[in-house]
Amino acid sequence: QQQVKQSPQSLIVQKGGISIINCAYENTAFDYFPWYQQFPGKGPALLIAIRPDVSEKKEGRFTISFNKSAKQFSLHIMDSQPGDSATYFCAASRSSNTGKLIFGQGTTLQVKP
Amino acid sequence: EAGVVQSPRYKIIEKKQPVAFWCNPISGHNTLYWYRQNLGQGPELLIRYENEEAVDDSQLPKDRFSAERLKGVDSTLKIQPAELGDSAVYLCASSLLAGGRGEQFFGPGTRLTVL
Repeated sequence: QQQVKQSPQSLIVQKGGISIINCAYENTAFDYFPWYQQFPGKGPALLIAIRPDVSEKKEGRFTISFNKSAKQFSLHIMDSQPGDSATYFCAASRSSNTGKLIFGQGTTLQVKP
Repeated sequence: EAGVVQSPRYKIIEKKQPVAFWCNPISGHNTLYWYRQNLGQGPELLIRYENEEAVDDSQLPKDRFSAERLKGVDSTLKIQPAELGDSAVYLCASSLLAGGRGEQFFGPGTRLTVL
């Protein structure tokens, strides 16, 4: 019940295309869903996050779509750029469990010029 | 503003040897986390500190792992003795808000290789 399942494991997109990464969770007590971006040799950095009281959140080219009934959420990267090439992790946590992030397995995105 | 600082960045040791990792969180961040990231996986929480108190160490393998944050600022994570399966990247993170709330800022990690 603590798992967060992420797909696909890897993704190749042409420059200007849309990158879509999906995550599914089981624990209905989760109430915070961040996405992290990690470049090689660096630690993860928060990209965008959502709480279950909204179904979508957009920040620039990055959008989180959230489906509470299906227990799924996804990251959409519009107009993907080569600089977006990185590993992306979804995560989930419970406010009552004070910040213990449960991470997905990660998706390696390659954006081809 | 300086980010989370970790050292060393890389460490190669023989199995059964001890090893220690150091972390200095962002100034003013009272909450500190240690994560382990295995190759091709997401980070997994090992321990969380609120100031100098370890408030969540349920995932820390206590037979060989230990951690301390004596003055509520920087922290050290130790493994003794190291095993082959401990090869991973050890990430430190910190957050401003107490109780695990607020954005977690990650350091670059220490890549440990156990031979």
